[in-house]
Amino acid sequence: DQQVKQNSPSLSVQEGRISILNCDYTNSMFDYFLWYKKYPAEGPTFLISISSIKDKNEDGRFTVFLNKSAKHLSLHIVPSQPGDSAVYFCAVIIQGAQKLVFGQGTRLTINP
Amino acid sequence: DAEITQSPRHKITETGRQVTLACHQTWNHNNMFWYRQDLGHGLRLIHYSYGVQDTNKGEVSDGYSVSRSNTEDLPLTLESAASSQTSVYFCASKSHMNTEAFFGQGTRLTVV
Repeated sequence: DQQVKQNSPSLSVQEGRISILNCDYTNSMFDYFLWYKKYPAEGPTFLISISSIKDKNEDGRFTVFLNKSAKHLSLHIVPSQPGDSAVYFCAVIIQGAQKLVFGQGTRLTINP
Repeated sequence: DAEITQSPRHKITETGRQVTLACHQTWNHNNMFWYRQDLGHGLRLIHYSYGVQDTNKGEVSDGYSVSRSNTEDLPLTLESAASSQTSVYFCASKSHMNTEAFFGQGTRLTVV
């Protein structure tokens, strides 16, 4: 039973425009929500996170939005840059646990 | 600088062989995890440990085992390698105080 779903396997965006990556979850008992970025042949790297008690967190070009009523998480990247081309994973941390549960990933391609 | 390292980076083995993948972290983190990455499935949790002598099964633990004899290391053993275990394996570590986990660079395992 997939607790975290990223329904778009890929996304293509023009350089300078906004990239919006989406993630849906099925369980309300999550403490934190995270986004990771992964380049080929490298390990995933942490990008940004948000606590379940907040609805927005911003870090430079990256903003994460949490809609608890819809059980939906999104990552906005603006403006998009060629170096943003990577696979993006959303992840959740269950209340009282330390392990991260990941979605399937979305491959983002930024076109010049 | 603290880091997390995996070895080997690439491994080819035969069906039925026992294989051990190493993971070593110098963050002094209590929590360590093993994930596998497969197309369409994202990162799936194999096993995890919250401290020395503690090990727990993840969602895809069949055919794998781990042991935690010290804080720094969490080796992953494939008891009898199968072609279905061909994958990229990632080790991660995390402190109790922070939300993000840090990942190694991965081990690409091919079972022939």
